[in-house]
Amino acid sequence: AQTVTQSQPEMSVQEAETVTLSCTYDTSESDYYLFWYKQPPSRQMILVIRQEAYKQQNATENRFSVNFQKAAKSFSLKISDSQLGDAAMYFCALYNFNKFYFGSGTKLNVKP
Amino acid sequence: GAGVSQSPSNKVTEKGKDVELRCDPISGHTALYWYRQSLGQGLEFLIYFQGNSAPDKSGLPSDRFSAERTGGSVSTLTIQRTQQEDSAVYLCASSQGRGANVLTFGAGSRLTVL
Repeated sequence: AQTVTQSQPEMSVQEAETVTLSCTYDTSESDYYLFWYKQPPSRQMILVIRQEAYKQQNATENRFSVNFQKAAKSFSLKISDSQLGDAAMYFCALYNFNKFYFGSGTKLNVKP
Repeated sequence: GAGVSQSPSNKVTEKGKDVELRCDPISGHTALYWYRQSLGQGLEFLIYFQGNSAPDKSGLPSDRFSAERTGGSVSTLTIQRTQQEDSAVYLCASSQGRGANVLTFGAGSRLTVL
């Protein structure tokens, strides 16, 4: 069975500070992909970052980076220099065999 | 189209009525997914279409739920005899196809069953 767990229902960060969102997953497969999606109040899910499991190097997209620990099945998202526009629900997701498995989400608040 | 389009954006219905939710994926995307997002919850997989293959219906919660995809493009999710627990946001997403695993989501249809 494939599962994705986000243990932080809600987090807050001060504008310009750094925050890390946690995600753990479980899969018996060796070939898979991991994602972080952002869902602002508009409901439109937006891809933040993607990581291929076979790549050891952590993915980075501007202010967003991941810490991928394959052995520990951990995939955390770090947001640097937080901005008000980063406030949203963030979902961690696992993909293999044409299916996506999503965590329950973390609501990120950004304080001015 | 430029993005994934879903309609209606919001739907309020009475318990026991049937509803249809529509998804128009990105042109050329052969894979289409439906998810349900209940308040404060993650995304629950409902159904997956890939080209002309038989759909993966393993996530449909009951036989009141069905979906079809005509001509490999537009998809309709139908909920018969709606119940209050069906109230949720229904999200549609598409991707380029098998193995191409970046999903593009629509803005969702919020269903409220009174």
